[in-house]
Amino acid sequence: GNSVTQMEGPVTLSEEAFLTINCTYTATGYPSLFWYVQYPGEGLQLLLKATKADDKGSNKGFEATYRKETTSFHLEKGSVQVSDSAVYFCALIAFTGGFKTIFGAGTRLFVKA
Amino acid sequence: GAVVSQHPSWVICKSGTSVKIECRSLDFQATTMFWYRQFPKQSLMLMATSNEGSKATYEQGVEKDKFLINHASLTLSTLTVTSAHPEDSSFYICSARDKTILYNEQFFGPGTRLTVL
Repeated sequence: GNSVTQMEGPVTLSEEAFLTINCTYTATGYPSLFWYVQYPGEGLQLLLKATKADDKGSNKGFEATYRKETTSFHLEKGSVQVSDSAVYFCALIAFTGGFKTIFGAGTRLFVKA
Repeated sequence: GAVVSQHPSWVICKSGTSVKIECRSLDFQATTMFWYRQFPKQSLMLMATSNEGSKATYEQGVEKDKFLINHASLTLSTLTVTSAHPEDSSFYICSARDKTILYNEQFFGPGTRLTVL
């Protein structure tokens, strides 16, 4: 079945450090890929998305590229801020999954000043 | 942009009572809505898929008599937690699928925190 695997957290970085959160997926067909962010006590916000191979999603300095050959969608940011501290979820939607969103386990990011 | 609201945002109830949570798509029609449950520091667990005008499809292990879902219109789905108990305390999040968007992105509500005493 369809699944998403992302790196375990927590990830602790100093402000202005480079961020990478790895995400790989298993899916039949051509899924759409997403990164969501959840701030403490809040719901999910869509951070970025990519709907086909080689697409790059970007938003607020974050970016991720849909790599079909490696079935990956790693999240990156060149310089993190304290305000980026949150939980990040990688997710996919596939036709073969009945269009259900399949989430990774989430990666908690702490950014220190 | 597409907005999904939930009401209430938080609720505290006594054990044995029932609680209804509403999920509304404010500016689009949602033929399908999804209900998730999230325990502290965990990922979202899909509970059920709600289709307008038909019965909800529940995921394995989710009690349909415990979690009643009604999708009465293209903009409203409700989740009723019947005879709630402390173990039902959780963060409940709904999402809605805009049928006009090709890649089937879902839009998430802000969540409802349920605490059962």
